Amino acid sequence: NAGVTQTPKFQVLKTGQSMTLQCAQDMNHNSMYWYRQDPGMGLRLIYYSASEGTTDKGEVPNGYNVSRLNKREFSLRLESAAPSQTSVYFCASTALAGAMGTKNIQYFGAGTRLSVL
Amino acid sequence: QQPVQSPQAVILREGEDAVINCSSSKALYSVHWYRQKHGEAPVFLMILLKGGEQKGHEKISASFNEKKQQSSLYLTASQLSYSGTYFCGTEVRGNQFYFGTGTSLTVIP
Repeated sequence: NAGVTQTPKFQVLKTGQSMTLQCAQDMNHNSMYWYRQDPGMGLRLIYYSASEGTTDKGEVPNGYNVSRLNKREFSLRLESAAPSQTSVYFCASTALAGAMGTKNIQYFGAGTRLSVL
Repeated sequence: QQPVQSPQAVILREGEDAVINCSSSKALYSVHWYRQKHGEAPVFLMILLKGGEQKGHEKISASFNEKKQQSSLYLTASQLSYSGTYFCGTEVRGNQFYFGTGTSLTVIP
């Protein structure tokens, strides 16, 4: 049981380049999330998908787009990378967002470390 | 809406105790606690639901005061393996979930 798998683990981009971060979960969870983690800032929500076919903005969505490809997969795209997007990106999934309590426990992938030069 | 954690950092010797606090300005339905080791993903420790229930995990326990919108994580007789960054996560009305800024805990021999 792999849980939440993110690819790639590391990436270096030049300013203006684009890339897509991939995330897949095998726990049959309905809800998936993308966070970024910066020193001293904790985890900040970029986008989330409460269920297949829906996506919503989080706290810091500017400069990103997402696609919920199917129930398992949720990708994050940077169309034109900027140095301010240098960060560690985590994907997470929960059984059912909005159900509150134990169904909202977050399971995280190992993270993608992104540097934009 | 992000919960506030205190302290930001703490250094302990093995065997000492620590308390990490999490405070929200919003009414809370539940509080989660996660631990993140350096270079790894956050890992779920425990969840406290409305009702003031106290939970435990090894020598780590937590309490939740819903009236004060606060939670505290208690680490007793700390071990080297407890080192990491601890995050609280809060569920508020409208099904929103927010992580705190984290508390760095270092346990030294």
